[in-house]
Order: sequence, then C-alpha cells, then structure tokens
Amino acid sequence: AQSVSQHNHHVILSEAASLELGCNYSYGGTVNLFWYVQYPGQHLQLLLKYFSGDPLVKGIKGFEAEFIKSKFSFNLRKPSVQWSDTAEYFCAVGGFQKLVFGTGTRLLVSP
Amino acid sequence: DAGVIQSPRHEVTEMGQEVTLRCKPISGHDYLFWYRQTMMRGLELLIYFNNNVPIDDSGMPEDRFSAKMPNASFSTLKIQPSEPRDSAVYFCASSPTSGYINEQFFGPGTRLTVL
Repeated sequence: AQSVSQHNHHVILSEAASLELGCNYSYGGTVNLFWYVQYPGQHLQLLLKYFSGDPLVKGIKGFEAEFIKSKFSFNLRKPSVQWSDTAEYFCAVGGFQKLVFGTGTRLLVSP
Repeated sequence: DAGVIQSPRHEVTEMGQEVTLRCKPISGHDYLFWYRQTMMRGLELLIYFNNNVPIDDSGMPEDRFSAKMPNASFSTLKIQPSEPRDSAVYFCASSPTSGYINEQFFGPGTRLTVL
C-alpha cells in the first residue's frame, strides 16, 4: 500500500533561514509526487509536482524539491524563507486514481 | 475558471441534525474527492468518484455519512445524524485525469461545527 512519511511535524525558523522538509514515500509502481501548501485558514494549493524527467523540480514562490529514487524521498527546499511562508506543507504521492497525503508539517517563520 | 466551489463555507449545527455539504467541481474534471481535515487525524480521504460513480468509499467513517454525485457538476456529502466528533473542515477536490493521478484542485472547504 502507498504511504507517505513527513518526519517533521513542526518547524520553526527565522526569516532568511533555509528550509528543508523531509518526505519519504512507499509505493511499488510509477509515482507522481506533489507538495501542497495550506496557508492559515485557506485550502490546499499546489506548490510543485514531479512526474518524470529532471529530478529537481522548481515550484512557485521559490520552492524546489528533489526526487531521489534510491532513497524514496522528495524533500522540499527553499534557500531563504519569509514570514509569509508560514503554513502547513503536505507531501503527497499519486498512484492510480488517488493521492495519499502525509500528515503535514507546520512551518512557523518568525520575523 | 471559478475553481472548485463548496457551500456553505461555514456550518454550525446541533447534534442530531442532518448536514449537507455541497461541491461543484471544475468543469471537465472526471474525478471528485471528499476529504476531512482535523487536528487529530490530519487530512483523510473519505470517498472519491470517477465519472459520477463512487469508486472507493472505504474512508467514510460510518453509516451516518453518505455521498452522492448525481451529475458531473454537483456532489453532496451528507451526515445524518451529526455528532460533535464530526466537527472538521471538509474539502472537496477535483482532478482532470484518468489512470495515474494528476494534480488535484481543492475547494475552499466547509468548516463544520457540531454542538
């Protein structure tokens, strides 16, 4: 069965710090990988996605993620976070027909 | 495109009452998903439809929950009778793809409070 693990449940950073959120997945077939963001009080929005090709994927707002097949990982990174990046971040793996979401990581960026 | 539309945005009801949540997916999307989000359990997939047909309802918590999709542009999630533990944010999402999953587009959610 598919599963997604996000090991960091809460992360607190100062503005301008670098960010890396871990995501590991378990799935035996072809995977599509996603990072979604949920700003306070809002719905989930797509940050970036990986289907195939270059394993380094660039998304919106300066975020990027690297797919490392040998490690079953799809970590999210941003070189310098801003206060406005305070949100909850969800990693998801897609197999056939549906997505499986991780439990989410709450990021708090202090000004 | 207006995106996924959900109504109501907020619902406050008393225990035992029937609650109906509504969703209009993005036109042309073949898949519709209902999720529930709580602090304790995170984001849970309740049920999803493909071409208006329920495919997997294994996430529906119990018989008090039911979902329908009478046509390609409308779906409902009903809770009868509602209980305080049903309080959560309920999201609807739609997806355009078939086969291997593509991006899901989420609605704004309905925040349900059962007193």
